[in-house]
Amino acid sequence: AQSVTQPDIHITVSEGASLELRCNYSYGATPYLFWYVQSPGQGLQLLLKYFSGDTLVQGIKGFEAEFKRSQSSFNLRKPSVHWSDAAEYFCAVTPGDSSYKLIFGSGTRLLVRP
Amino acid sequence: KAGVTQTPRYLIKTRGQQVTLSCSPISGHRSVSWYQQTPGQGLQFLFEYFSETQRNKGNFPGRFSGRQFSNSRSEMNVSTLELGDSALYLCASSATGNTEAFFGQGTRLTVV
Repeated sequence: AQSVTQPDIHITVSEGASLELRCNYSYGATPYLFWYVQSPGQGLQLLLKYFSGDTLVQGIKGFEAEFKRSQSSFNLRKPSVHWSDAAEYFCAVTPGDSSYKLIFGSGTRLLVRP
Repeated sequence: KAGVTQTPRYLIKTRGQQVTLSCSPISGHRSVSWYQQTPGQGLQFLFEYFSETQRNKGNFPGRFSGRQFSNSRSEMNVSTLELGDSALYLCASSATGNTEAFFGQGTRLTVV
């Protein structure tokens, strides 16, 4: 069965520091991969997506993610975190067979120290 | 372009009642999906509708149902509410041929 693992429940970084959020997926083929961000009480906003091609993808708000097939990973990175980045981040996959069913990881809550 | 609109934003219901939540997708989007978000279970897929047909269904009891209208608006219904149905219900819409999903702000359902 398809699954997504985000091993870090909470991560705390200082403002200006770099960030990496981990995501591993389990799927037979290469799925479509996404990172979403959720502020408290809000819906989900898409940060970036990977369908195929270049394994390093750029997203909004200065985020990027790298797809590594050999490690079944799709880690999210940002070189310098801002206080406004504090939120919950979700990695998600979909089979990519015209299905819109997203399978989400359990999320990582990011706290930013001033 | 207006985003995905969910109504109402907040609901309080009593155990045993039923509830209907509404979702208006982005104009032109024909796929609407529903998700339940709880602290214990996280984000779970409920079902997906495309052109008024249910195309995918998650692992939820039959008390959870949905439908989609010809204008792509969708409703989900939960009958015989249980305390465990308290959750944030999120709707997402997608354009044909594009698996990118755009989410609404959700409906916060509290069952007392």
